[in-house]
Amino acid sequence: NAGVTQTPKFQVLKTGQSMTLQCAQDMNHNSMYWYRQDPGMGLRLIYYSASEGTTDKGEVPNGYNVSRLNKREFSLRLESAAPSQTSVYFCASSGPTGDHQPQHFGDGTRLSIL
Amino acid sequence: GENVEQHPSTLSVQEGDSAVIKCTYSDSASNYFPWYKQELGKGPQLIIDIRSNVGEKKDQRIAVTLNKTAKHFSLHITETQPEDSAVYFCAASQGYKLSFGAGTTVTVRA
Repeated sequence: NAGVTQTPKFQVLKTGQSMTLQCAQDMNHNSMYWYRQDPGMGLRLIYYSASEGTTDKGEVPNGYNVSRLNKREFSLRLESAAPSQTSVYFCASSGPTGDHQPQHFGDGTRLSIL
Repeated sequence: GENVEQHPSTLSVQEGDSAVIKCTYSDSASNYFPWYKQELGKGPQLIIDIRSNVGEKKDQRIAVTLNKTAKHFSLHITETQPEDSAVYFCAASQGYKLSFGAGTTVTVRA
């Protein structure tokens, strides 16, 4: 049972490059989330998708875009990477329906922007 | 938006002793409070959660208490073991959005 799978696990980019982080879940969850984790700041919500076909901004959406490709997949795109986006990115999912469901996290993508 | 504060930032305990982590939240509308454990190189894993209609919840060596009036909640780990060493995060939510505390690094000394 894979749960939430994120690819890639590590990536180094140059300033201005673009990149898409991939996330897939196999738990038939309706809701999916993207967070970033920075030292001393916990996890901060970038975007979320309450259900297939919908996306909403979280706490720190600037510089990012998302696509809910289907029920299983939710991708995060950096159009023009900046050093301030160096972080560990986590995808999570919850379900099957409604809020207040435990969120299940992937193991993260460690992104460095030079 | 919701603001969650978590204390202490680091905690060192002797194996077998108890560990307590405390969190406060700002938004009285928050009604779901999960706790996550994160090991090095891994994503956070849910260890226990509590809803606002409950004051306390236990699961083996782990317990969580909630004081809605004071807007704070706590994680208690009894009889700590080396495998309890990790970073612990509290969170609060209303609806889909979780707001996390900054985390507590727990070290259990053998």
